[in-house]
Amino acid sequence: GNSVTQMEGPVTLSEEAFLTINCTYTATGYPSLFWYVQYPGEGLQLLLKATKADDKGSNKGFEATYRKETTSFHLEKGSVQVSDSAVYFCALSERAGGTSYGKLTFGQGTILTVHP
Amino acid sequence: NAGVTQTPKFRVLKTGQSMTLLCAQDMNHEYMYWYRQDPGMGLRLIHYSVGEGTTAKGEVPDGYNVSRLKKQNFLLGLESAAPSQTSVYFCASSYEIGGITDTQYFGPGTRLTVL
Repeated sequence: GNSVTQMEGPVTLSEEAFLTINCTYTATGYPSLFWYVQYPGEGLQLLLKATKADDKGSNKGFEATYRKETTSFHLEKGSVQVSDSAVYFCALSERAGGTSYGKLTFGQGTILTVHP
Repeated sequence: NAGVTQTPKFRVLKTGQSMTLLCAQDMNHEYMYWYRQDPGMGLRLIHYSVGEGTTAKGEVPDGYNVSRLKKQNFLLGLESAAPSQTSVYFCASSYEIGGITDTQYFGPGTRLTVL
């Protein structure tokens, strides 16, 4: 079956530091890959996505590249802010068809805390 | 456009009690999902629906039932609550374009405690 593995947290950084959160996946076929973010007390929001190999998703200064050869989708940001403190989830979705119906498989989440 | 809403936001139950969580979406999405979130385990799919009148089991369906009588609503029921069902529950919806079911839109969650 499908699975997503994220680097274990929590991750604590100072403001303006460089961020990397590793994500690797196992899947059959050609999944779409996502990063979702959950701010304290809120639901999940889509941060970025990539639907095919070598695609780069980007949003709010965050980037991730779909690497099929290494089955990875690492999240990066060049300079984090206190407001980036949240839980980050890597996820994959099989394309609809058969029995998948676009179900998301999530990693366990990585807690990021950014200090001033 | 409210997106995905969930009712209630918080609830405390005693073991054996029943309750229904309501999810509503105003985006005309075909697909709807119920997840539970537990510490260190990410989100796990409980049940999902691919259209009005349809439901299917997800990864952790035991102890839950669902109904999708209207396209915009997806109800999650606990017939006899157990402490193991203490969790945060999220509803999500999505749509399909060209065979791809893409981004899921999440509600704000319901925090349930079973004593």
